[in-house]
Amino acid sequence: DAGVIQSPRHEVTEMGQEVTLRCKPISGHNSLFWYRQTMMRGLELLIYFNNNVPIDDSGMPEDRFSAKMPNASFSTLKIQPSEPRDSAVYFCASSLLGKLETQYFGPGTRLLVL
Amino acid sequence: GENVEQHPSTLSVQEGDSAVIKCTYSDSASNYFPWYKQELGKRPQLIIDIRSNVGEKKDQRIAVTLNKTAKHFSLHITETQPEDSAVYFCALGSTLTFGKGTMLLVSP
Repeated sequence: DAGVIQSPRHEVTEMGQEVTLRCKPISGHNSLFWYRQTMMRGLELLIYFNNNVPIDDSGMPEDRFSAKMPNASFSTLKIQPSEPRDSAVYFCASSLLGKLETQYFGPGTRLLVL
Repeated sequence: GENVEQHPSTLSVQEGDSAVIKCTYSDSASNYFPWYKQELGKRPQLIIDIRSNVGEKKDQRIAVTLNKTAKHFSLHITETQPEDSAVYFCALGSTLTFGKGTMLLVSP
């Protein structure tokens, strides 16, 4: 099993640019989570999907952030326009619908917005 | 919503000593309490968890205890080793609300 796959692993961009982060969950998992990790705020849940449907996006910081899950094997988190305060590590995690709490994390995308 | 407080934020111990990290929470409905370990530059990984129908669970050198009445749960690491050095997070809830983390440093 390949585990949760995220790309890119590192992203450096300039303020104002659009950033797209990608995630492929573990095959067979039907819940997907996006987290952001910073020193100041720790690990924060941004949004999660069940069966490709967004269930709770209350953690999404503002309208500049959007997430989609067009099918069971792919999700994106987009930031447009990006700002320096968006610099963080973004983790994707997946789980089985019946066991939401047992989540498997991807390696993360380290984002730096200059 | 759920809220979880984790203490201490940093913990330094000598190799072979024990380490204890504690989390308190406010939501009485929580019934799942996992602990994650995150090494520098790596992803969080589940190391042990406990459900509300038991008070303690052990796995070799690590254990978790739960006091639902007092609403706190703790991670215990015995005979610490330098490779235990990492950030440890408690979490709770079905979609995981994380504590702020404890940086554990084990000195040889």
